[in-house]
Amino acid sequence: AQTVTQSQPEMSVQEAETVTLSCTYDTSESDYYLFWYKQPPSRQMILVIRQEAYKQQNATENRFSVNFQKAAKSFSLKISDSQLGDAAMYFCAYRRNAGNAGNMLTFGGGTRLMVKP
Amino acid sequence: DSGVTQTPKHLITATGQRVTLRCSPRSGDLSVYWYQQSLDQGLQFLIQYYNGEERAKGNILERFSAQQFPDLHSELNLSSLELGDSALYFCASSVNRGDSYGYTFGSGTRLTVV
Repeated sequence: AQTVTQSQPEMSVQEAETVTLSCTYDTSESDYYLFWYKQPPSRQMILVIRQEAYKQQNATENRFSVNFQKAAKSFSLKISDSQLGDAAMYFCAYRRNAGNAGNMLTFGGGTRLMVKP
Repeated sequence: DSGVTQTPKHLITATGQRVTLRCSPRSGDLSVYWYQQSLDQGLQFLIQYYNGEERAKGNILERFSAQQFPDLHSELNLSSLELGDSALYFCASSVNRGDSYGYTFGSGTRLTVV
C-alpha cells in the first residue's frame, strides 16, 4: 500500500520569506500523480499544485513550486514571498494512475503553516 | 463554489443514531470519493463509487455504507453512531480515468455525535 509522510507537523515563516514543506512517499508504481492541497481555517480543501510522475520538470504555480525527486520519492513544496493568507494546513497527496478504480488520493498527515507578520 | 455540493453542512446527533450525508458531484464527474477527517488529522479514504458501482474501499467501518444513484449523487450512511465518529466528512469527485487533476472537494459535513 502507498504511504505518504509529512515529517513537519508545524512550520512557521516570516511574511515575504520563503518556506519549504517536506513530503516523502512510498510506492512500487511508476505512473502516478502527486499533489499539494491547502486547508485554511474554513476547512475547504484547495488544490495548490500537481505533478505528474512522468514529467521531469518541476511544476510551478505562481509563488508555489515543487521539488520532485522521483528516485528519492520526495516531493517538497516551496512557497515564495509568503503571505498571511498562506497560513493553513498543507497536505501532500499521492494518486496512482489506475483508470477509474483504486485511484483514490492518499494523504499525508499534514503540516500546519503559520505566517508571522 | 467548487461545484461539489454536500448537505447538510453541520449535523449534531446522539450516540446510537443513524444519519445520511449527501453529495452531488461536479457536473460531468462520474467518480465520487468519501473521506473522513478527524480533529487535526489527515484525510482517511472511506470508499469510491464510479458511475453507480463501488470501485474501492478504504478504512470504512461496517456500520458505514454508501451508494451512488443513477443521477450520480451519492449518500454516505452512518449508523449506530459513536462519539469517535465525530469528524468532518468530505466528498470529492473526478471525471474518469486519466484524469491527472486532483479531485474537486466539497465543503464537507461536520458531524458531531453527543
